[in-house]
Amino acid sequence: SSELTQDPAVSVALGQTVRITCQGDRLRSYYASWYQQKPGQAPVLVFYGRRNRPSGIPDRFSGSSSGDTASLTITGAQAADEADYYCNSRDRSGRHVFGTGTKVTVL
Amino acid sequence: QVHVVQSGAEVKKPGASLKVSCKASGYTFTDYGITWVRQAPGQGLEWMGWINTYNGNTNYTEKLQDRVTMTTDTSTSTAYMELRSLRSDDTAVYYCARGDSFTNYFDYWGQGTLVTVSS
Repeated sequence: SSELTQDPAVSVALGQTVRITCQGDRLRSYYASWYQQKPGQAPVLVFYGRRNRPSGIPDRFSGSSSGDTASLTITGAQAADEADYYCNSRDRSGRHVFGTGTKVTVL
Repeated sequence: QVHVVQSGAEVKKPGASLKVSCKASGYTFTDYGITWVRQAPGQGLEWMGWINTYNGNTNYTEKLQDRVTMTTDTSTSTAYMELRSLRSDDTAVYYCARGDSFTNYFDYWGQGTLVTVSS
């Protein structure tokens, strides 16, 4: 499949850990990048590649990958982390696709 | 400091064309590609395509490749996205972002341009 599939919604208690997954065949060959989007705002890159976190992104955000699944983990979730999260990756032709998106609720 | 600034909101009629601009600053424009993404109301992100700002090569999603053209003006560090034969389902916020399939990530985003297609 050329798609990237994510769980529609997850919830996490304040200060606990949550993992967001992204599944797709292209992830066997290419890393995912991850974007956080809050209502009415542009997406923000929060993790990319094997182990890259952009400057200014808290170290509670981490990424991993195994087989056809990429994961974004938030360790010690904060209220500010409540948002939609999207994965993205390319294919052999250089075309990209975004995942279906996961809404994270911090309780 | 990197900045990406897009043109303002537009209202278009079905069948018309749209051209959104994306002006980059704070880095060498031709060192990074520009990607275009759109988001329909209440929906997820949709990758539209990217342009290599160094040589003008483009790569479009199959869904839009007959209606979209991406270009750049390197003298002003500005990228453009033109979408033709607009339909109501083209109503969306359109974003540009720095990055392409070589970087495999998009690190600086414009503020978004709301495009409404309505008769």
